[in-house]
Amino acid sequence: GQQLNQSPQSMFIQEGEDVSMNCTSSSIFNTWLWYKQDPGEGPVLLIALYKAGELTSNGRLTAQFGITRKDSFLNISASIPSDVGIYFCAGLIQGAQKLVFGQGTRLTINP
Amino acid sequence: ETGVTQSPTHLIKTRGQQVTLRCSSQSGHNTVSWYQQALGQGPQFIFQYYREEENGRGNFPPRFSGLQFPNYSSELNVNALELDDSALYLCASSLDVLGTQYFGPGTRLTVL
Repeated sequence: GQQLNQSPQSMFIQEGEDVSMNCTSSSIFNTWLWYKQDPGEGPVLLIALYKAGELTSNGRLTAQFGITRKDSFLNISASIPSDVGIYFCAGLIQGAQKLVFGQGTRLTINP
Repeated sequence: ETGVTQSPTHLIKTRGQQVTLRCSSQSGHNTVSWYQQALGQGPQFIFQYYREEENGRGNFPPRFSGLQFPNYSSELNVNALELDDSALYLCASSLDVLGTQYFGPGTRLTVL
């Protein structure tokens, strides 16, 4: 089945640093989504990407839909303590109803 | 605008029992998808309901079943619970079957 490889699995950074994480797949996706999940909560949508090559920002977050439609990255600039959490990429294949999720990137910030 | 809500928040059951989880979709959304998230993993797709019909199913056995009601709220039923069914169960609603999915807070199920 389709799988998303998300890296890194975890990151330990200092407050104020920039963060970069990415997802790759052997399958082509028509939509890429990035979610953040806090402990005991459901995933919250951060950014949605619908076109190959699309670059979209949401405040300090920037994400891109890869040209090959098989990858995406998420950058966070000037990290702050509330950025702590688990970030998931998810892809939607054309004609399929289900989201396929990566394994998540756990972000820890040292003040 | 009300977001996606789920009930109950937490649930403890024993092996062999049956459980029903509930989800209310976001206003204006007619599609509900259910996911199982084991500890330390990404969510796994169980199935999707669109206009009261199942519209796609993941790799889960038939003892996982669902319903969608005319108001687009939904239930997930799991029969003959197993220890491995312990997980966070998430529902997500969307405007239509391919729309962006917005998740509820989840129901934490523990099977003893």
